[in-house]
Amino acid sequence: KAGVTQTPRYLIKTRGQQVTLSCSPISGHRSVSWYQQTPGQGLQFLFEYFSETQRNKGNFPGRFSGRQFSNSRSEMNVSTLELGDSALYLCASNMGQGVAEAFFGQGTRLTVV
Amino acid sequence: KQEVTQIPAALSVPEGENLVLNCSFTDSAIYNLQWFRQDPGKGLTSLLLIQSSQREQTSGRLNASLDKSSGRSTLYIAASQPGDSATYLCAVDDPGGSYIPTFGRGTSLIVHP
Repeated sequence: KAGVTQTPRYLIKTRGQQVTLSCSPISGHRSVSWYQQTPGQGLQFLFEYFSETQRNKGNFPGRFSGRQFSNSRSEMNVSTLELGDSALYLCASNMGQGVAEAFFGQGTRLTVV
Repeated sequence: KQEVTQIPAALSVPEGENLVLNCSFTDSAIYNLQWFRQDPGKGLTSLLLIQSSQREQTSGRLNASLDKSSGRSTLYIAASQPGDSATYLCAVDDPGGSYIPTFGRGTSLIVHP
């Protein structure tokens, strides 16, 4: 059974650009969550999608957005990149209901220069 | 607001020692507690999930216990090996029922030969 797949693994972008990250969940999982991990702040929750709808949202500016497709794959977009957006972005999937063990992808390392 | 604290923040031990990592949380009305392992620059690997109705879970050399009333969990690692070197994070589900986990900052473990 394939795990959670994130692409790309590494990205270097310039301030002001935008970026799109992709996450393919484990087959059968309907919930996809996104997290930002930095040395200073640790793991911070961005948002969660379930059945193509944003179900929960963390405290991040509107520059951070996402969507989920009918096959449960999810994308995260960050517009007008800032230096402080440099981080490891992780996505996790789970069944979305009941006891929901979360499974994480390997992450996308974003560097903004 | 749920807060998760992990003690110690870092630990360095010789191979073969038995270890105890601690996790405490402020709101005892949780659904699940999950322990993860993270290798440098990588995603999170799920180790153990303890449902709120359970007291402990075991997997190989790992044993995790949960005491909801006191807001604490411990991860016990028996006969530690250099391959156990990683950061260990615990996460508890949002007590509001959204299943969004709150993470601790982790315990960075080094097991030296």
